[in-house]
Formats: sequence, structure tokens, C-alpha cells
Amino acid sequence: GNSVTQMEGPVTLSEEAFLTINCTYTATGYPSLFWYVQYPGEGLQLLLKATKADDKGSNKGFEATYRKETTSFHLEKGSVQVSDSAVYFCALRGSNYQLIWGAGTKLIIKP
Amino acid sequence: DVKVTQSSRYLVKRTGEKVFLECVQDMDHENMFWYRQDPGLGLRLIYFSYDVKMKEKGDIPEGYSVSREKKERFSLILESASTNQTSMYLCANRPDSNSPLHFGNGTRLTVT
Repeated sequence: GNSVTQMEGPVTLSEEAFLTINCTYTATGYPSLFWYVQYPGEGLQLLLKATKADDKGSNKGFEATYRKETTSFHLEKGSVQVSDSAVYFCALRGSNYQLIWGAGTKLIIKP
Repeated sequence: DVKVTQSSRYLVKRTGEKVFLECVQDMDHENMFWYRQDPGLGLRLIYFSYDVKMKEKGDIPEGYSVSREKKERFSLILESASTNQTSMYLCANRPDSNSPLHFGNGTRLTVT
């Protein structure tokens, strides 16, 4: 069946550091892939998405590229800020239009 | 902006109590969902609804039921709360299957 695996957290970085949060998936067919972010005390919100192989999603300085050959959708940001501290969820949308979620990765940015 | 409102931010209930978690949307969205969020497990789908009076089981429906009498309101019911239902509960909606989800801020339920 479909599944999503994210790197375990928490990930702790200093401000302006480079960020990578790994996400790999197992799926039949060609699912759409998503990153959602949950800021402290809030619900999740869509950060970016990609719907086909080699697509790059981007938003707020974050990027992720849909890599079919490695079944990956790693999240990257060149220079993180304290305000990026949150929990990040990778997800895929399967053929039944339901989302399959990764476990979430907590990101802590220190000033 | 789409607004998904969950009626309670924090709830503390006793084992065996019947618990109602309410979710209201201010848009005319067809699809509504209830998830629970637990550390290390991500989000797990409890129930969803694609229309009024329609409901479908998600991945972990045991111990829960739902009600959707009006399009804007989707209620999650714990018939007899148990301690293993202590969790963060998230309501979400979307206008159609190809659109992203919009989430409420969650209800943290503690069952003692």
C-alpha cells in the first residue's frame, strides 16, 4: 500500500542555516505530493505541492522536487528563520483522493 | 480565507463519557474530515464526509461516529471515551478532491 516516510525529528538548526527534511514515499501510480506545515498552536496549512515527476513546488523560500526515480520529495530552504520553527508533514494523495501522511518532523530554529 | 472552526481548544473528559467535538466551516465545501494527530504517527483519518448525511469510515473509525446533518457542520462523537482516545483532533475540509485541505486549529482532548 501507499506510505510516506519522513526523517525523525526534532531537527535543530541555527538561523540562516540550510535546511533539508527528507521525505520518501511508496505508491502505485503517480501520486500528487505535498508538504504541510503546522505552526505552534495552529492547524496544518499547505506549504507546497507537486503533481507530476520533476515538478518543483515552492513557497515562502521552501522548495521540493518530485523525484520519481528516487521516490522522494525532500523539503529544502536556503536560509531558515526563527519563524520557520514548526512541524512539517509530507503527504501523498493516492488514487482514492485521500491523503497519506508522514509522521511529521519538528523543526527548531535557534537565533 | 476559508475558516474551519473547532468549538473547543482543550477538553478534559472522564472515561466512559460521551464526547462531542464540533467543527463548523464558513464556506460551501463538500468534503469534510476528522483526523487524530499523535506524536510519531502523523495524521490518521477517522471519518470523512463528501456530502450532507453522508459518511465514510477512514483508517481508524473504531470507537468513533460522526454526524453531518448540515453542510457546514461535521461532528465527531466518542460514544464512550477511553484513555487511548487522548489525542489532538483535527477537522479539515476542501471544496473537491483535487483541492488542498484547510484545517481547524485542533482540539486537544484528554480522557482521564
